[in-house]
Amino acid sequence: GNSVTQMEGPVTLSEEAFLTINCTYTATGYPSLFWYVQYPGEGLQLLLKATKADDKGSNKGFEATYRKETTSFHLEKGSVQVSDSAVYFCALSDYTGTASKLTFGTGTRLQVTL
Amino acid sequence: GAVVSQHPSWVICKSGTSVKIECRSLDFQATTMFWYRQFPKQSLMLMATSNEGSKATYEQGVEKDKFLINHASLTLSTLTVTSAHPEDSSFYICSAIPQREVIFGPGTRLTVL
Repeated sequence: GNSVTQMEGPVTLSEEAFLTINCTYTATGYPSLFWYVQYPGEGLQLLLKATKADDKGSNKGFEATYRKETTSFHLEKGSVQVSDSAVYFCALSDYTGTASKLTFGTGTRLQVTL
Repeated sequence: GAVVSQHPSWVICKSGTSVKIECRSLDFQATTMFWYRQFPKQSLMLMATSNEGSKATYEQGVEKDKFLINHASLTLSTLTVTSAHPEDSSFYICSAIPQREVIFGPGTRLTVL
């Protein structure tokens, strides 16, 4: 079956540091890949996505590239801010008919300090 | 944009009682909704797929008699935790898919005393 593996956190960085959160996946077929963010006390929000190999998703300074050869979708940001402190989930979707189920990684908590 | 709401946002109940959680799609119709459960510091686990007008599809290991799902209209799915126990305390999240993009509700935190 499908699975997503994320690096364990928490990750603690100083403001303006470079961020990488690793994500690898196992899936049959050609899944779409996502990064979701959960800010304290809030629900999940889609951060970025990529639907096919070599696609790069980007949003709010975050980027991730769909690497089929390494089955990876690592999240990066060049300069993090305190407001980026949140839990980040890597996920993949397996389209089933008109809807899709999401398989999530365990989440990585990011804490950014001044 | 499309919004999914949940009610209540949090609930505390006594052990043995039943709790109903609502998930609504605002400004769009959802024939399918998904229910997830999130334990503290863990990932979301898909519990079941709610289908409008038919029975829900439960994931392996999820007790269908424990977690009753009713999708009676195109904008509302309900999850009822029956005879709740402390181990059912968790964060329950629903989602829907308008335009092929998953939208999550804000979640409902259930605490069973």
